Amino acid sequence: EVQLVESGGGLVKPGGSLRLSCAASGFTFSSYSMNWVRQAPGKGLEWVSSISSSSSYIYYADSVKGRFTISRDNAKNSLYLQMNSLRAEDTAVYYCARTGRWGPDYWGQGTLVTVSS
Amino acid sequence: DIQMTQSPSSLSASVGDRVTITCRASQGIRNDLGWYQQKPGKAPKRLIYAASSLQSGVPSRFSGSGSGTEFTLTISSLQPEDFATYYCLQHNSYAWTFGQGTKVEIK
Repeated sequence: EVQLVESGGGLVKPGGSLRLSCAASGFTFSSYSMNWVRQAPGKGLEWVSSISSSSSYIYYADSVKGRFTISRDNAKNSLYLQMNSLRAEDTAVYYCARTGRWGPDYWGQGTLVTVSS
Repeated sequence: DIQMTQSPSSLSASVGDRVTITCRASQGIRNDLGWYQQKPGKAPKRLIYAASSLQSGVPSRFSGSGSGTEFTLTISSLQPEDFATYYCLQHNSYAWTFGQGTKVEIK
């Protein structure tokens, strides 16, 4: 069974940093591109970042470019999102999602990041 | 970036009703589109992939159609468990974009 479990969310002050993790199991992690998607409270879904299976290709939404860094450790079956210079508008539930053959198929349960003083 | 315009933003319907939700892409995306259902406090769940293919385990009352720039999600007979928010998602470009969402409420 495919499982994606996010962790690392919490309360952080504006300008602060946070590192999210996503632990994957139930599939060959190293064969799949992975992604982060977020959802601000009461709002819609927003793609944040993607990373290819071997980390050769990395993409970011304009809203986080230069502040967030996506990475992965295939030996540990883990995906990461390093978030720096956090702003109030980064407050959201952050989901990791797997890119299957036909687009994003499995999602984690999400981890809440709150940026507030 | 490709823009996805989803309509309506909300609708009220009764159990047994036929419901249709539409997404329009700002440029052609072939059939690189999925439909997702999200219930409060839960992760999105894929219903349809490749615009018209039913995800395994999803009831057959859900169907998708379209290609290029116009896409439709249809629920043939709305059930109580279908009251949720629905999103389309294009993954034709590396920068995925979602529709704004359609909240399906009980009439």
